[in-house]
Amino acid sequence: EVQLQQSGPELQRPGASVKLSCKASGYTFTEYYMYWVKQRPKQGLELIGRIDPEDGSTDYVEKFKNKATLTADTSSNTAYMQLSSLTSEDTATYFCARGTHWFAYWGQGTLVTVSS
Amino acid sequence: DIQMTQSPASLSASLGETISIECRASEDIYSNLAWYQQKSGKSPQLLIYAANRLQDGVPSRFSGSGSGTQYSLKISGMQPEDEGDYFCLQGSKFPYTFGAGTKLELK
Repeated sequence: EVQLQQSGPELQRPGASVKLSCKASGYTFTEYYMYWVKQRPKQGLELIGRIDPEDGSTDYVEKFKNKATLTADTSSNTAYMQLSSLTSEDTATYFCARGTHWFAYWGQGTLVTVSS
Repeated sequence: DIQMTQSPASLSASLGETISIECRASEDIYSNLAWYQQKSGKSPQLLIYAANRLQDGVPSRFSGSGSGTQYSLKISGMQPEDEGDYFCLQGSKFPYTFGAGTKLELK
């Protein structure tokens, strides 16, 4: 059974950084891109970017290029996303999702709250 | 980037009613279109992929159609458990983009 288990909720101060994790199981980690998606409260979904765990190559949506850094550890089958210089605009739930042209498997989401 | 225009933004349906949600892409996405249902506090659940293929385990009252730039999701016979938010996703060209969503409520 494919599972994506994400790390727990985060409360961070403005200006801080945070690193979220997404541990994959039930499939070969290196065979699928891992995508990250942002959802602000009561709003729609935004793609942040993707990583190919096989070689670590990444693609970012333009608006997130200076905000998010995606990495993957094949020894632990875990994908990571670091968000830097946090502001209130970064308060959201972040999902990882296994994908090709669509995402059949999603993590449960990590709520990041940015507040002083 | 490909823009996805989804309509309507909200919808109220009676039990057993048939409803449709539309997504229009700003360019041809060659049926690389998926539909999702999301309930409050949960991850999106895949309903339809490749425009018209039903994901395993999804009730057959859900169906998808379309091609080119125009796509639709149909629910044939609204059920109470169908309440939630619905999104389309184009997976034709990176960056993949989502529709703004449709909030479906039971009347």
